[in-house]
Amino acid sequence: DIQMTQSPSSLSAYVGDRVTITCQASQGIDTYLNWYQQKPGRAPKLLIYDAFNLQTGVPSRFSGSGSGTDFTLTISGLQPEDFATYYCQHHDNLPLTFGQGTRLEIK
Amino acid sequence: EVQLVESGGGVLQPGESLRLSCAASGFTFEDFTMHWVRQAPGKGLEWVSLITWDGGSTYYGDSVEGRFTISRDNSKNSLYLQMKSLTTEDSGLYFCAKDITDRVVYSGLDSWGQGTLVTVSS
Repeated sequence: DIQMTQSPSSLSAYVGDRVTITCQASQGIDTYLNWYQQKPGRAPKLLIYDAFNLQTGVPSRFSGSGSGTDFTLTISGLQPEDFATYYCQHHDNLPLTFGQGTRLEIK
Repeated sequence: EVQLVESGGGVLQPGESLRLSCAASGFTFEDFTMHWVRQAPGKGLEWVSLITWDGGSTYYGDSVEGRFTISRDNSKNSLYLQMKSLTTEDSGLYFCAKDITDRVVYSGLDSWGQGTLVTVSS
């Protein structure tokens, strides 16, 4: 199984900051990488698919990059509604696996 | 608008069985692979199972292989998860989710239900 490792596990930031979350796959996955946002008590929401494609309706302050084993999710100009937990997920093969999550908190 | 509504969760004892359902609307259900994903309380996301658009192929995570069975009824726009030999490790919120791309075995999950809670406790 492919292991997905996110860092950091948690971070604090101010509204307006630029933050980057990284995700590393245990083996190369080309660009078969998705990013999700989850708020407490809510279902996850797809943000980015195939490493850098913005899902319809997602604000352009979210962006993704990377290929192979190393990926990043960047949020440029944090908004209050962005404070949530973020997960990466590969779809290179089965089983699909998620990273452990990165909790983004308000400083 | 895509809507996925799970039901069937509950409180059970170890060893018991349960069947979850997911009612889908707002898209052509028969064209998309569907997934179950679960989340233990306070924990991360774990992919559980998928079934292809025509029901012809099913896949499971290692932790549920042999105990869970995924199925669908395209005439009813419904997805199911039959769970047997439940353990406390199976407790959590179970989400059904729609795959991003039609007639692809798997790619990602672009629409999710609100989840149904399964609690296994002695």
